[in-house]
Amino acid sequence: GQNIDQPTEMTATEGAIVQINCTYQTSGFNGLFWYQQHAGEAPTFLSYNVLDGLEEKGRFSSFLSRSKGYSYLLLKELQMKDSASYLCAVMDSNYQLIWGAGTKLIIKP
Amino acid sequence: ETGVTQTPRHLVMGMTNKKSLKCEQHLGHNAMYWYKQSAKKPLELMFVYNFKEQTENNSVPSRFSPECPNSSHLFLHLHTLQPEDSALYLCASSQQAGEGGTEAFFGQGTRLTVV
Repeated sequence: GQNIDQPTEMTATEGAIVQINCTYQTSGFNGLFWYQQHAGEAPTFLSYNVLDGLEEKGRFSSFLSRSKGYSYLLLKELQMKDSASYLCAVMDSNYQLIWGAGTKLIIKP
Repeated sequence: ETGVTQTPRHLVMGMTNKKSLKCEQHLGHNAMYWYKQSAKKPLELMFVYNFKEQTENNSVPSRFSPECPNSSHLFLHLHTLQPEDSALYLCASSQQAGEGGTEAFFGQGTRLTVV
């Protein structure tokens, strides 16, 4: 079967760095997405990786290793507003998105 | 504001009621999706419409009935639901289904409670 694993919850301190990991096993691969979802709000797109390596976008970076079935989202200089759930999703060979259950990130002052 | 609007934001309905969820996108996209989001579970894809044609129905019970009159509007008709159907129902759109690299834009969802 197809599977996306990410930690259920993480806690970090304001101003620090946090890495949220995602491992996947899917039938085929057409890219990996990260979304942010604040409580009660719509998921919003953060990043897309289809080739191995690191994509940097301001305070957020996303890394992909296709051979290891692994990605991470790196958040730097954490702010209180970064408290949210972070969803990892992989597009399989049928271009269907397979979703992880999300990682709830709690930022403490 | 993501360009995808869902109404209502909250809905409480009895098991014998009939109600409809509405989604509208203002992004000029050709694909629209219904997802179910339950607490601590992955997003579950329910239906996909591409250029107004239903291309995916992920074994969804018939008490959920989608309708896509045009590329901008999507409905989810609900009848004789069960308490376990209580969840957040998210609508999304993308440029086209069946393409790599195209991000989906989500609405804020309808929080449905079945009593």
